[in-house]
Amino acid sequence: DQQVKQNSPSLSVQEGRISILNCDYTNSMFDYFLWYKKYPAEGPTFLISISSIKDKNEDGRFTVFLNKSAKHLSLHIVPSQPGDSAVYFCAASGAGRGGSEKLVFGKGTKLTVNP
Amino acid sequence: EADIYQTPRYLVIGTGKKITLECSQTMGHDKMYWYQQDPGMELHLIHYSYGVNSTEKGDLSSESTVSRIRTEHFPLTLESARPSHTSQYLCASRLGTQYFGPGTRLLVL
Repeated sequence: DQQVKQNSPSLSVQEGRISILNCDYTNSMFDYFLWYKKYPAEGPTFLISISSIKDKNEDGRFTVFLNKSAKHLSLHIVPSQPGDSAVYFCAASGAGRGGSEKLVFGKGTKLTVNP
Repeated sequence: EADIYQTPRYLVIGTGKKITLECSQTMGHDKMYWYQQDPGMELHLIHYSYGVNSTEKGDLSSESTVSRIRTEHFPLTLESARPSHTSQYLCASRLGTQYFGPGTRLLVL
């Protein structure tokens, strides 16, 4: 049973437009969420995180929104650039940011930004 | 930027060989993890450690073993490689945010 779901395996957007990547979770004990970006043959790179006490966190072109009642989070990239083309993984954990709970990952969404 | 290293980056090896994938980090993190990932799939946790002399199996059963003799070092060993072990192996460490190494792509012929 998947606790973290990324239902869109792929997304294609035009350069300069907004990319919105979605993630749903089922475990109400999750309270810390992260987004990673991954290029083929490389390890995931941490992008941005959000704690359940917040509903939004912004870092440059990247913003993560959390809707706890819907158990849904999204990553917005504005403006999208061709270099953003990669697979994006959503991850979640419980017991707080420094807690001992392991991260649970979604299957990823492949983003393609077309010039 | 995270200082976590994995060697080798790529490995092609024959069936039955013993291999060790190296992972080291210089951040002094107690928590370290090994994941296995196949294309188009999620990352599956196969081993983790919360400190020296502490190792646990992850959510995905794996024939590999790990050791944690030093804080900075968390090697993964396959005693007898098989084609089913072909995958990408990712090492990570964590204090708050979890950081990943560059990964090892393993191909067993």
